[in-house]
Amino acid sequence: NAGVTQTPKFQVLKTGQSMTLQCAQDMNHNSMYWYRQDPGMGLRLIYYSASEGTTDKGEVPNGYNVSRLNKREFSLRLESAAPSQTSVYFCASRYRWNTEAFFGQGTRLTVV
Amino acid sequence: AQKVTQAQTEISVVEKEDVTLDCVYETRDTTYYLFWYKQPPSGELVFLIRRNSFDEQNEISGRYSWNFQKSTSSFNFTITASQVVDSAVYFCALSEAGKGPMDTGRRALTFGSGTRLQVQP
Repeated sequence: NAGVTQTPKFQVLKTGQSMTLQCAQDMNHNSMYWYRQDPGMGLRLIYYSASEGTTDKGEVPNGYNVSRLNKREFSLRLESAAPSQTSVYFCASRYRWNTEAFFGQGTRLTVV
Repeated sequence: AQKVTQAQTEISVVEKEDVTLDCVYETRDTTYYLFWYKQPPSGELVFLIRRNSFDEQNEISGRYSWNFQKSTSSFNFTITASQVVDSAVYFCALSEAGKGPMDTGRRALTFGSGTRLQVQP
């Protein structure tokens, strides 16, 4: 039982490059989330998908796009990376709004 | 809007001391859930507890206990007889029921900024 799998674990980008962070869950969860973690800021919600076929902006969506490819997969895309997007990114999923979320291991992204 | 405040940025204690991590939340809803997560130095996020807004009973799990008080909008976490392995960042989080299934924004999980706990041997 893999839970939530994120790839890659580490990435270094140059300013202006693009990349996609992949996330997949095998728990048949309805909701999926992308968060970023910065020192002293906790986890801030970038985008979420409450159910298959829907996506919505969170607290800090600028510079990102997402795709809920199917029930299992939720990807995050940086079209033109900026140094301000240097962060640790976490994907999460959960069954319902009132259940615990399960997290991937995180992606450490550095934009130079 | 929903908000979670963890005013303690960093706490340092000596092993075997008791320590309480504070969590204060803001919500417009009467139906909501509160959560605590642990992030050890390895970086993963580990779920610790979930509590709904209608259950104010304190909970104890081994050396961990949680005190939920709606009157003060607080959900504090106490570690008794702390150990070095308790060193981690601890996050409190909130989900609201909102107006129903379509109110997805309020149903997303909102985190506090975290408290870093250092337990010295």
